[in-house]
Amino acid sequence: ETGVTQTPRHLVMGMTNKKSLKCEQHLGHNAMYWYKQSAKKPLELMFVYSLEERVENNSVPSRFSPECPNSSHLFLHLHTLQPEDSALYLCASSQGSEQPQFFGPGTRLTVL
Amino acid sequence: QKEVEQDPGPLSVPEGAIVSLNCTYSNSAFQYFMWYRQYSRKGPELLMYTYSSGNKEDGRFTAQVDKSSKYISLFIRDSQPSDSATYLCAMAPSGAGSYQLTFGKGTKLSVIP
Repeated sequence: ETGVTQTPRHLVMGMTNKKSLKCEQHLGHNAMYWYKQSAKKPLELMFVYSLEERVENNSVPSRFSPECPNSSHLFLHLHTLQPEDSALYLCASSQGSEQPQFFGPGTRLTVL
Repeated sequence: QKEVEQDPGPLSVPEGAIVSLNCTYSNSAFQYFMWYRQYSRKGPELLMYTYSSGNKEDGRFTAQVDKSSKYISLFIRDSQPSDSATYLCAMAPSGAGSYQLTFGKGTKLSVIP
């Protein structure tokens, strides 16, 4: 595997389900990110982890819960989501700040 | 005023044309500028990364930054049908907040054979 991988690629869940999105980066980077991409809106940064510590949390509802067990892996735990949470969730990584971010293919989430 | 303005298009050009994509921004703290290409149902792919004002060239792509005008551009020469995608500009300040990229909404480009 190379670059940034994400699983699953597609997810359909009900509002009462609990699911997790997984991201893994194979680039040796030390910062990882979760973004949300909705139709006709710019990418929205959700969380940033640097050296496994959360450094940014952009007023994201508590139904989204990130976890970064090490510098290569990032999870986004989902529970009691709303239909408006349906979007493409993108993971990215970089070698520190002030460096370009490299994105994974995304997870297409649909909340029924 | 939005922090980053980008014409969403769609923009259609014939194969071989020179394409010009642009973003304007209002935050003078932005120091780092990026262009990403995103194909349908894929993640954004980094095309260009620049720090200073001026031009940066990579193959058929040229990125231009004018900090005094708060204006950045991406030029694509000899455009190909495979260039059909959505192009996103992104930018960030230096120092505190430099993890946080601010994106434009993207311009959808179609290159017609």
